[in-house]
Amino acid sequence: QQQVKQSPQSLIVQKGGISIINCAYENTAFDYFPWYQQFPGKGPALLIAIRPDVSEKKEGRFTISFNKSAKQFSLHIMDSQPGDSATYFCAAKAAGNKLTFGGGTRVLVKP
Amino acid sequence: KAGVTQTPRYLIKTRGQQVTLSCSPISGHRSVSWYQQTPGQGLQFLFEYFSETQRNKGNFPGRFSGRQFSNSRSEMNVSTLELGDSALYLCASSRDSSQETQYFGPGTRLLVL
Repeated sequence: QQQVKQSPQSLIVQKGGISIINCAYENTAFDYFPWYQQFPGKGPALLIAIRPDVSEKKEGRFTISFNKSAKQFSLHIMDSQPGDSATYFCAAKAAGNKLTFGGGTRVLVKP
Repeated sequence: KAGVTQTPRYLIKTRGQQVTLSCSPISGHRSVSWYQQTPGQGLQFLFEYFSETQRNKGNFPGRFSGRQFSNSRSEMNVSTLELGDSALYLCASSRDSSQETQYFGPGTRLLVL
């Protein structure tokens, strides 16, 4: 059972453009929503995370938007750069439970 | 501060063999989680250890097992390897039992022939 659905599976964006990745969840007990970035040959690295009591969180060019009523959250990458080309994973976690990952989005930023 | 280290980085085994993978967490971290990553199934949780105790377990057969030592280092073992066990096995450490901020190692790439 996939508890976190991520879309799109892949996207191509021009340098300077905005990359948007969406995730939807079902379990209302989830209370922690991180995003991870993974480059080829590397393990995922925590990018940014949000809790349900906040609707938006921004760190540099990366912004998480959270919609609790719709059970959706999204990652926006502003001014996308070729170095942002990677696979991005959303995830969700309930207290005391495991981290559940979305299926991943492969982002390619064209120069 | 050194990151999470995993050994070996690459491994080739044949069906029916067993394999042991090792993970050294970041110094001071007491929680270690293991994940299997494949193109088809994505990142799947295997199990989590905190202070030498398994706290959570994913939906994997009993051939997959693990343990954690008193120094927080962890090992996972897969017995009677199957072709479908070919994957990147990732270890992640976190400071406490909440597991919220997890730091991943580079993974061990296992190929089963």
